[in-house]
Amino acid sequence: GAVVSQHPSRVICKSGTSVKIECRSLDFQATTMFWYRQFPKQSLMLMATSNEGSKATYEQGVEKDKFLINHASLTLSTLTVTSAHPEDSSFYICSARDLRTDDYEQYFGPGTRLTVT
Amino acid sequence: DAKTTQPPSMDCAEGRAANLPCNHSTISGNEYVYWYRQIHSQGPQYIIHGLKNNETNEMASLIITEDRKSSTLILPHATLRDTAVYYCIVRGTYKYIFGTGTRLKVLA
Repeated sequence: GAVVSQHPSRVICKSGTSVKIECRSLDFQATTMFWYRQFPKQSLMLMATSNEGSKATYEQGVEKDKFLINHASLTLSTLTVTSAHPEDSSFYICSARDLRTDDYEQYFGPGTRLTVT
Repeated sequence: DAKTTQPPSMDCAEGRAANLPCNHSTISGNEYVYWYRQIHSQGPQYIIHGLKNNETNEMASLIITEDRKSSTLILPHATLRDTAVYYCIVRGTYKYIFGTGTRLKVLA
C-alpha cells in the first residue's frame, strides 16, 4: 500500500512553454501533498505544501506565479511550471501524507525529470 | 525544525553492517527522527523512524541516544542494492527538511 505515482516520468519542453506534472496517491487519500525540487548531486528542496481544497503554501523564495499548484481532490495534486526556462530544468518529486495514520510519514513519488531546451 | 548533520559519504563492505550516524543536537522533545534513502534518480524510500526508543524493522535498526541529540541507522547486512544516499530528517511540524545526506557505497 501507500503508493504515489507521478506523470510524466520525463518531459522535455521548449523555453517559454508550460508543463504540468501530476502526482497521484493510488491506494490512499492524502489531504496534504508536498512538492520538492532536486538539482543534480543536491538534496531535495521543499517548494510548497499542497492542501486539498485550499491554496498551496509556498516556501520562501519559490515563485507562486511560476509554479502553480492545484490539489483538487484527495488523490491528485498538479504542479504547473509556467513559462519554463532552462534554469527550471530539474528533478521534481512529490510526496503525500496518508489520512489514515496519526504520524506524519510521507510517501514519495518516483519523480519527474524536466528538461527545458 | 531541527537541522541534521551527516557525513557526506561512507563505504561499507558487502555483507557487513553499515552504521550511518546523524547529529541532531537541537532536537526538541516532540520531534521524531526519520530515515529515508534515495537510489539514483528515484524518489526517496522510507526506512524507519523513532522518537525516543530504539526501533527495528525488516530493513534496519534505529538507535537513538538517551539525550536524543544523535542517532545511528544500522543496515545489518549491507548488499550492493543498499548503495544510495541516506537522509536523516528531524520532523517537528508537518514538513520534512532534508539535509545533505550520506552517500553510502557498498563494495563487493
